Amino acid sequence: DIVMTQSPSSLAVSAGETVTINCKSSQSLLSSGNQKNYLAWYQQKPGQSPKLLIYLASTRESGVPDRFIGSGSGTDFTLTISSVQAEDLADYYCQQHYSYPLTFGSGTKLEIK
Amino acid sequence: QVQLQQSGAELAKPGSSVKISCKASGYTFTSYYISWIKQTTGQGLEYIGYINTGSGGTNYNEKFKGKATLTVDKSSSTAFMQLSSLTPDDSAVYYCARSHGGPRAFDYWGQGVMVTVSS
Repeated sequence: DIVMTQSPSSLAVSAGETVTINCKSSQSLLSSGNQKNYLAWYQQKPGQSPKLLIYLASTRESGVPDRFIGSGSGTDFTLTISSVQAEDLADYYCQQHYSYPLTFGSGTKLEIK
Repeated sequence: QVQLQQSGAELAKPGSSVKISCKASGYTFTSYYISWIKQTTGQGLEYIGYINTGSGGTNYNEKFKGKATLTVDKSSSTAFMQLSSLTPDDSAVYYCARSHGGPRAFDYWGQGVMVTVSS
């Protein structure tokens, strides 16, 4: 199974700041066939289901604000949230959608000071 | 609009089984796989498996083989997951989620079902 290691486990920032969340996979998520990275990011607000933010490492899901930016390739990926807003209070998870069984990172809790 | 509506919370005794449902609406049911994901405070999000809603074919995470059984009723656009031989470790929130074939990211999720196993 591909192990997903996420960091940090939690962070607290003030509104307007920029946040970076890291995700590392135990093997490459880059497909040699199409040169795409099979990595997704989800946001889970308190009491809600996870919501897809980013897939294929950097493709924003429809309706997701452009302050959410996914980047990286191979085994190292980043979710950047620019100009954090109070509504961004949530847990964030990375997930590889490269091979079965699909696996998730352990999550990052984002708190707003 | 796309919706995955899951059944209600379950309280079950150790050794028993529960069957939870996920009713889809707002899209062509057989064009998407339905996967099931377990969420606990300690283990985070764990992928259980998927069912190909068109063919009924399934894929299970080895960890959940023998624990979960996935089925589908195309006539009602509903997917089911049965959990058997329940133990307290099966207490969790279980989500269904759809993907366009596999392996893919999950673009819509159900609201989750809390299963509590207790004597």
